[in-house]
Amino acid sequence: KAGVTQTPRYLIKTRGQQVTLSCSPISGHRSVSWYQQTPGQGLQFLFEYFSETQRNKGNFPGRFSGRQFSNSRSEMNVSTLELGDSALYLCASFDSYNEQFFGPGTRLTVL
Amino acid sequence: QKEVEQNSGPLSVPEGAIASLNCTYSDRGSQSFFWYRQYSGKSPELIMFIYSNGDKEDGRFTAQLNKASQYVSLLIRDSQPSDSATYLCAVKSSGSARQLTFGSGTQLTVLP
Repeated sequence: KAGVTQTPRYLIKTRGQQVTLSCSPISGHRSVSWYQQTPGQGLQFLFEYFSETQRNKGNFPGRFSGRQFSNSRSEMNVSTLELGDSALYLCASFDSYNEQFFGPGTRLTVL
Repeated sequence: QKEVEQNSGPLSVPEGAIASLNCTYSDRGSQSFFWYRQYSGKSPELIMFIYSNGDKEDGRFTAQLNKASQYVSLLIRDSQPSDSATYLCAVKSSGSARQLTFGSGTQLTVLP
């Protein structure tokens, strides 16, 4: 099976812009979670989607949003980018045993 | 207060030694415990998971869980230089949500 895929792998944006990141889970996996990883804060949970419904959301401002499509693919959007949004954004999909497999990540740099 | 704590490291061990990585968690309702390995510039890779008290072995890796003490550890036997990475402990709380709470990681260096 193919693993979790994320696009794009790298992004450079400027403050105030918005960005959309995409994630395709492992075939057959219906749950997708998003995490932000920074050197200072580590890995922090953003949100989880299951069957197109957001089931859980982390402690992030409303500028961070996401959605999931009927084919389980997911997108996350960050509006009005700030310098502090520079991070590695990781998507993970779950199997039926709750084992979570991460994609390669999208490295976002905000200038 | 951080919910998942790991020994901060960095930790250095000689090749062939046993590396011991430790993690404590605050939520007594936590159900599942995971160890991930992350190489520099890469995404986390699942090494092991453990749900029940006791030991679970997989090759050179052994995970140990003690729910009464809210403690989980990872032992790496016969450490190899390729094991040099950051090891992340992650905890899933009770309930249906699949949110993982991660520790800050322990950087391990295996010296040839």
